[in-house]
Amino acid sequence: DGGITQSPKYLFRKEGQNVTLSCEQNLNHDAMYWYRQDPGQGLRLIYYSQIVNDFQKGDIAEGYSVSREKKESFPLTVTSAQKNPTAFYLCASSPRGSPHTGELFFGEGSRLTVL
Amino acid sequence: KNEVEQSPQNLTAQEGEFITINCSYSVGISALHWLQQHPGGGIVSLFMLSSGKKKHGRLIATINIQEKHSSLHITASHPRDSAVYICAVTENTGNQFYFGTGTSLTVIP
Repeated sequence: DGGITQSPKYLFRKEGQNVTLSCEQNLNHDAMYWYRQDPGQGLRLIYYSQIVNDFQKGDIAEGYSVSREKKESFPLTVTSAQKNPTAFYLCASSPRGSPHTGELFFGEGSRLTVL
Repeated sequence: KNEVEQSPQNLTAQEGEFITINCSYSVGISALHWLQQHPGGGIVSLFMLSSGKKKHGRLIATINIQEKHSSLHITASHPRDSAVYICAVTENTGNQFYFGTGTSLTVIP
């Protein structure tokens, strides 16, 4: 079945550690996104990528990094510079090359807790 | 100020009731999305619409572009409809999705 796979589903990290969240899609979508979800807030865009080897900062990119070496994969690294990393992270993709258009497809999310 | 506002924030209904969730937005849009977030956290797209009305099973989505308003209706609600429903819009410049904060729906048997 086509879809988006995020891993791990739950992750615990000590302060000062970097952690990488995986996002893989087999939908052949061009655009991929990382969102952060906090209680009582709408999804906020961290990074997005329109094509391989290209990505753009979203509204809250500080303390995060991404790569897009393959069309199928868009991993997110939460670095120690991110001041408040405990959150629910959602990866999404959409079929069109133009970002922020088309139907959105989401993964199951990764919940990161910093101890 | 949020570009997308939803109401109500929380909603509890008895099984079988007709449910309406509202969404208002303040930006020019090319499309509006209704999303469903399950308790485990995964999100699925229910509808993407730019005008009129769409129906899928017991779910109906409508949009009024002039009034910048959309509604999601659930007929004959069921406990499995319990989820968070999120309204999102595609800004017409194509530069951004904007998301509402969600409506948490609980349907009691």
